[in-house]
Amino acid sequence: SAVISQKPSRDICQRGTSLTIQCQVDSQVTMMFWYRQQPGQSLTLIATANQGSEATYESGFVIDKFPISRPNLTFSTLTVSNMSPEDSSIYLCSIILVMGDTQYFGPGTRLTVL
Amino acid sequence: EDQVTQSPEALRLQEGESSSLNCSYTVSGLRGLFWYRQDPGKGPEFLFTLYSAGEEKEKERLKATLTKKESFLHITAPKPEDSATYLCAVSQAGAQKLVFGQGTRLTINP
Repeated sequence: SAVISQKPSRDICQRGTSLTIQCQVDSQVTMMFWYRQQPGQSLTLIATANQGSEATYESGFVIDKFPISRPNLTFSTLTVSNMSPEDSSIYLCSIILVMGDTQYFGPGTRLTVL
Repeated sequence: EDQVTQSPEALRLQEGESSSLNCSYTVSGLRGLFWYRQDPGKGPEFLFTLYSAGEEKEKERLKATLTKKESFLHITAPKPEDSATYLCAVSQAGAQKLVFGQGTRLTINP
């Protein structure tokens, strides 16, 4: 496996503001993903972070609300823009290692929007 | 559309009391079925991948099995440290995206 870190681990934000979440991996990976886990719910894929190109978003998620960057093989950011209380969730990045087939998850970022 | 349903939603057992968790799935061409464990406040921890019907995998007190329609996670003689939410997910052939079930919240009482 690999060591996956996310920053911040948690934050409390005011509505209308934006928060950028970082995901750093200590190994080279082929794929990186961003998931959302709403309170008491399971995980839902937001998008696949593509290196050097625009992310691929799932139905119901748009780039203006969740811009994603992936400048290299080991780092990605997710921004939650113009936040509302409905954005209060845990945001998780996951990775697939080179020559691997399994998604490994980071520790998550717990976001509360007031 | 791919769909994953887990049952029961919650399960409370006494230490040493064996049981099974169910994951029923509908997918257009299964690439893999994945089991994860999630502790409160943490990201999911990978347990198993199953690729074809009849496959079984074991790890300590856990054994995962797969049929064409469902998977079971058998827990033998559980301990309190096995308490967690167990998540099942599937991926479609040719894709890496995971579709998750709602999870089973397992509590093992000492």
